[in-house]
Amino acid sequence: GESVGLHLPTLSVQEGDNSIINCAYSNSASDYFIWYKQESGKGPQFIIDIRSNMDKRQGQRVTVLLNKTVKHLSLQIAATQPGDSAVYFCAEAIRTSYDKVIFGPGTSLSVIP
Amino acid sequence: GAVVSQHPSRVICKSGTSVKIECRSLDFQATTMFWYRQFPKQSLMLMATSNEGSKATYEQGVEKDKFLINHASLTLSTLTVTSAHPEDSSFYICSASPWTSGRGQETQYFGPGTRLLVL
Repeated sequence: GESVGLHLPTLSVQEGDNSIINCAYSNSASDYFIWYKQESGKGPQFIIDIRSNMDKRQGQRVTVLLNKTVKHLSLQIAATQPGDSAVYFCAEAIRTSYDKVIFGPGTSLSVIP
Repeated sequence: GAVVSQHPSRVICKSGTSVKIECRSLDFQATTMFWYRQFPKQSLMLMATSNEGSKATYEQGVEKDKFLINHASLTLSTLTVTSAHPEDSSFYICSASPWTSGRGQETQYFGPGTRLLVL
């Protein structure tokens, strides 16, 4: 079946640098995308979302970019901090009778102090 | 607001026993709840979707007789792992959505997860 995938399973960045986490999705019918952060032993935490009618959305220190042409999603974290170290998942919402969220494989972000 | 809790947070059981995991929405009514399973260093895999008062919809490959889901109220869903075996050891996470599909907020709120270890 169709799924959301990631290009980079691990990413190490220096504290203070910007981080970019990429994600490829394959379901052209998806119209809602979410980025989650998961710390060890905890549930996913919502970071930011974007609808398919947008190509960019900004939050606090985070920006999500959506390129529907190539089915690519990215999460940019500005001035990365040690507390940003976690696994990041992109996810797509399958807009059928239930709002199912399908998760990608995840990227582990490690911030080097 | 929008807090989802799970109980227990960790459970160890013997092979062949059944384990019940509770998922509660503490400050909102959840018409739809979702159950996920996550193995170490892997992603979350959706197991089933449940709407309050109706039968759960299971994803392909998930045994409905083994993973019993009950969503009897707007704030509580339970997942029972029946006749648990070591391969069922995993991190089980629930999420809750305040509205049914197509009528409102898309954001799901996730619980903290339950770590199940079957010996």
